[in-house]
Amino acid sequence: QVQLQESGPGLVKPSETLSLTCTVSGGSISSFYWSWIRQPAGKGLEWIGRIYTSGSTNYNPSLKSRVTMSVDTSKNQFSLKLSSVTAADTAVYYCAGSFTSSTNFDYWGQGTLVTVSS
Amino acid sequence: SYELTQPPSVSVSPGQTASITCSGDKLGDKYACWYRQKPGQSPVLVIYQDSKRPSGIPERFSGSNSGNTATLTISGTQAMDEAAYYCQAWDSSTVVFGGGTKLTVL
Repeated sequence: QVQLQESGPGLVKPSETLSLTCTVSGGSISSFYWSWIRQPAGKGLEWIGRIYTSGSTNYNPSLKSRVTMSVDTSKNQFSLKLSSVTAADTAVYYCAGSFTSSTNFDYWGQGTLVTVSS
Repeated sequence: SYELTQPPSVSVSPGQTASITCSGDKLGDKYACWYRQKPGQSPVLVIYQDSKRPSGIPERFSGSNSGNTATLTISGTQAMDEAAYYCQAWDSSTVVFGGGTKLTVL
């Protein structure tokens, strides 16, 4: 059973860069798509972007200028960096993996709350 | 940008059939999938590629997608099905989620 676990700071100051890592266990990270999705408290889901294990990426156009994703197959990890954060970036951040199809998310991490505040 | 529209809430009596719709321009030309999210938990995939069920998802969950509307149907709804449900599709290499529907089992 594939499991995903997010890690990173729970508090980030405004204008700084949010950095999160997702560790995949129970299976290889190779040859699949991996995404980041966020959810502000009491609101819906917002896709941030995805990365394939080759390193190719797709980003949400509304966040593209601030997002960078990377993958480390040797550590079975992939990462998210979101720059110039504001309070509007406060949310639960999920990592997710696409296995049955590249168009849906089969496995999700438990989510990690990131608060942007000084 | 592409948008998916869901009703904010749907109510159903236990044992009855619940239908949750998701509307988008020519949605039937794309694959739609559905997630269930209970409070404090991560979303769970319940339908993918319009009508396929992942392993472990009960047969009472089914899906369809045609024209501009995808529909999630829960037959014989149980109290445990009370949750928020989100539809999702791809458009122009971008993931789009619907706003979510709160299913209440009265």
